[in-house]
Amino acid sequence: DVKVTQSSRYLVKRTGEKVFLECVQDMDHENMFWYRQDPGLGLRLIYFSYDVKMKEKGDIPEGYSVSREKKERFSLILESASTNQTSMYLCASSKPGTGRGYTFGSGTRLTVV
Amino acid sequence: AQKITQTQPGMFVQEKEAVTLDCTYDTSDPSYGLFWYKQPSSGEMIFLIYQGSYDQQNATEGRYSLNFQKARKSANLVISASLQGDSAMYFCAMRSNFGNEKLTFGTGTRLTIIP
Repeated sequence: DVKVTQSSRYLVKRTGEKVFLECVQDMDHENMFWYRQDPGLGLRLIYFSYDVKMKEKGDIPEGYSVSREKKERFSLILESASTNQTSMYLCASSKPGTGRGYTFGSGTRLTVV
Repeated sequence: AQKITQTQPGMFVQEKEAVTLDCTYDTSDPSYGLFWYKQPSSGEMIFLIYQGSYDQQNATEGRYSLNFQKARKSANLVISASLQGDSAMYFCAMRSNFGNEKLTFGTGTRLTIIP
């Protein structure tokens, strides 16, 4: 069963900590995405990558960075976590040019205290 | 820029009734795709249905159909004969077929099915 796996389901971190959220897909997809989901705001794109070592900013990149050293892995990094980064983080992947859906991970609920 | 608007934050529907979830969109791109996703309380995003902007017919997938009205820029999701398991958040999303392939999402509608 093909899937996108996010390393942690729940995470609690302290303000100022460096936080790594990991995402791995086994579908050989070129595109990978990081979204954050907040009540009343829907899903907002943080960063995406269309190939190894390639990345582009999404709509809300401030306070985040990403790394994609291997095709299957896309990491989201919070350089210095803040309480306003408490949220649900969703990773997704897709094959370029496909008209169908994207595959999402189960999400990581991050709480920054 | 693309924008998706879902004006119904929450809906309550009796089991076995049909339900329509509204979605309007705004884009200047001539070619694009529209998606609906379901998110149960477990948090996973489940792909439901896709409509291409040049598709002549409305998309259908089992109990789901997409009422696509291009001139009105609307892409409503219709669920026929709703079931308890349909209780979830529903998100409308779109993607331009030019440039990058990011999805732009609406704010979602929480659907609750009443027994």
